[in-house]
Amino acid sequence: GAVVSQHPSRVICKSGTSVKIECRSLDFQATTMFWYRQFPKQSLMLMATSNEGSKATYEQGVEKDKFLINHASLTLSTLTVTSAHPEDSSFYICSALSLPLATNEQFFGPGTRLTVL
Amino acid sequence: KNEVEQSPQNLTAQEGEFITINCSYSVGISALHWLQQHPGGGIVSLFMLSSGKKKHGRLIATINIQEKHSSLHITASHPRDSAVYICAGGSNYKLTFGKGTLLTVNP
Repeated sequence: GAVVSQHPSRVICKSGTSVKIECRSLDFQATTMFWYRQFPKQSLMLMATSNEGSKATYEQGVEKDKFLINHASLTLSTLTVTSAHPEDSSFYICSALSLPLATNEQFFGPGTRLTVL
Repeated sequence: KNEVEQSPQNLTAQEGEFITINCSYSVGISALHWLQQHPGGGIVSLFMLSSGKKKHGRLIATINIQEKHSSLHITASHPRDSAVYICAGGSNYKLTFGKGTLLTVNP
């Protein structure tokens, strides 16, 4: 089956530092990946749509200069949280659409728990 | 108001019981997804359906497009089914998520 991995699974960092989270599709190609954020006891919220070879599309209220997304290949998208602050502490999840797009099925990564001290 | 509503929010059952989780949506969708999130956060996609009914093992998902309602059923529930179950409406590859139903199955 289609597998999506994320690295790291959890990270603790100091306020003001930057953190990079990787999302990889292991056995399929993904032209489109999605980045979600989930606060405790809340729904997943879409942050941005990452398209291979082009700029990401950010949802309203998500700062694109703070959450940098790079989708350099068909199997890798990265999310960099720049100048992280405690309020950025959250669970970040990526998902990937497998080719062909007609299936409309997203495969989710295991998530990355970010704690900013 | 969330465009995807689930009920109940919390559900406790005894092992072996038949379980139903409901999902109503107000958004226009092309597909309805049921997801399972275990403690620790990892998400598994259970079903994606746009009409009718799907079955996988002890899990059954149904959807009524006219009523904008879907149900997830678990037959012969087991403690390992304990997790958060999330429904999400999909349109143009974007998903709108419900808040989830926390299911606890006691032995």
